[in-house]
Amino acid sequence: GAVVSQHPSWVICKSGTSVKIECRSLDFQATTMFWYRQFPKQSLMLMATSNEGSKATYEQGVEKDKFLINHASLTLSTLTVTSAHPEDSSFYICSASPQGADEQFFGPGTRLTVL
Amino acid sequence: AQSVTQPDIHITVSEGASLELRCNYSYGATPYLFWYVQSPGQGLQLLLKYFSGDTLVQGIKGFEAEFKRSQSSFNLRKPSVHWSDAAEYFCAVGAHRNYGQNFVFGPGTRLSVLP
Repeated sequence: GAVVSQHPSWVICKSGTSVKIECRSLDFQATTMFWYRQFPKQSLMLMATSNEGSKATYEQGVEKDKFLINHASLTLSTLTVTSAHPEDSSFYICSASPQGADEQFFGPGTRLTVL
Repeated sequence: AQSVTQPDIHITVSEGASLELRCNYSYGATPYLFWYVQSPGQGLQLLLKYFSGDTLVQGIKGFEAEFKRSQSSFNLRKPSVHWSDAAEYFCAVGAHRNYGQNFVFGPGTRLSVLP
């Protein structure tokens, strides 16, 4: 149980375009989902916390107009990278936390490459 | 705010040898402590966690970790390493309650295993 999926697993896009990444909790309802970014050979940095039905809470330094997060249902959160640039190339990882649980379950990540 | 350090960027051990990965944290209150493993192409997998109680925590895959409050440490150990243990290991700390919103990962330690 407690499986989190991400789609796509990798994506290549041109500079200036927008890319949407989906995060789904497959076998549980997640009131809270988290989005992380991981640069090569570095640790994960929390970008934002997404609560179902409300606006996401962004970490300091993360542009909310650039990284749009939508958590429209208890099993789906999306991260849209708008007007992507090469510096946005990274590994994006989501996690989901079941209601009342003291644990978060991680998705496999999405590798974004912006040309 | 909490922080996590993992002093060893890269460790190489021989298969069958014992392993200890170091983790030190900084947090003013009782921390939630975690160890995750990340293998190439796979999502983060929780090895073990400490919330309270017995300071020696048993995890999956034969790993254990010991919480030492006096040293602000949560070192990961395994008595006999297998080649499949080669991966990136992350220590993480969460705040008591609403831990997800205050979840911080260490920089990671890459483990290489010699045959």
